[in-house]
Amino acid sequence: QKEVEQNSGPLSVPEGAIASLNCTYSDRGSQSFFWYRQYSGKSPELIMFIYSNGDKEDGRFTAQLNKASQYVSLLIRDSQPSDSATYLCAVKDQGGKLIFGQGTELSVKP
Amino acid sequence: KAGVTQTPRYLIKTRGQQVTLSCSPISGHRSVSWYQQTPGQGLQFLFEYFSETQRNKGNFPGRFSGRQFSNSRSEMNVSTLELGDSALYLCASSLFTGRDTEAFFGQGTRLTVV
Repeated sequence: QKEVEQNSGPLSVPEGAIASLNCTYSDRGSQSFFWYRQYSGKSPELIMFIYSNGDKEDGRFTAQLNKASQYVSLLIRDSQPSDSATYLCAVKDQGGKLIFGQGTELSVKP
Repeated sequence: KAGVTQTPRYLIKTRGQQVTLSCSPISGHRSVSWYQQTPGQGLQFLFEYFSETQRNKGNFPGRFSGRQFSNSRSEMNVSTLELGDSALYLCASSLFTGRDTEAFFGQGTRLTVV
């Protein structure tokens, strides 16, 4: 079992819709969770981080964390074509290493 | 405030050679982590340095090594290059080490081994 799992996609949503990206992790002791966006040919860009159970909102982005279910999600409201990218879920393990999922490719169609 | 700077951006090397990549973290950041990104394996953790000490190490062979200087700049070295080492090497900078700290990436060094 991979430590951090994401659906590879591609996930296709129409412009203006809500995009929902999901991630599960295996290390129950993990405490910190991050979402990165990576455009093709570019480096990952941090868009959200969450440490506590529940929701955290930042503009059009909402991160949701459920430690009991070992599940993290990212919602993107009012999706725009410029949101088309690969979204990487990352989990910091108990040793402090940042472990990445394989990423979910999101495509927002105009 | 300047971001994370990696040099060089692109590199072509021959099998068997060695290579050194450089990373300058965000000013004031003391932790530097290195990652390898390939299409097949995704982003894989290489190692983390904090205050010139290696704090964490991933599952890579000993050909991959690194170090950090007193100004927090870090270098990564790969010896006896193999074709499979072709990848994007990314450096991430954090204010400190530990769980509640965000990591910011540089633009990466694209290494091609021929």
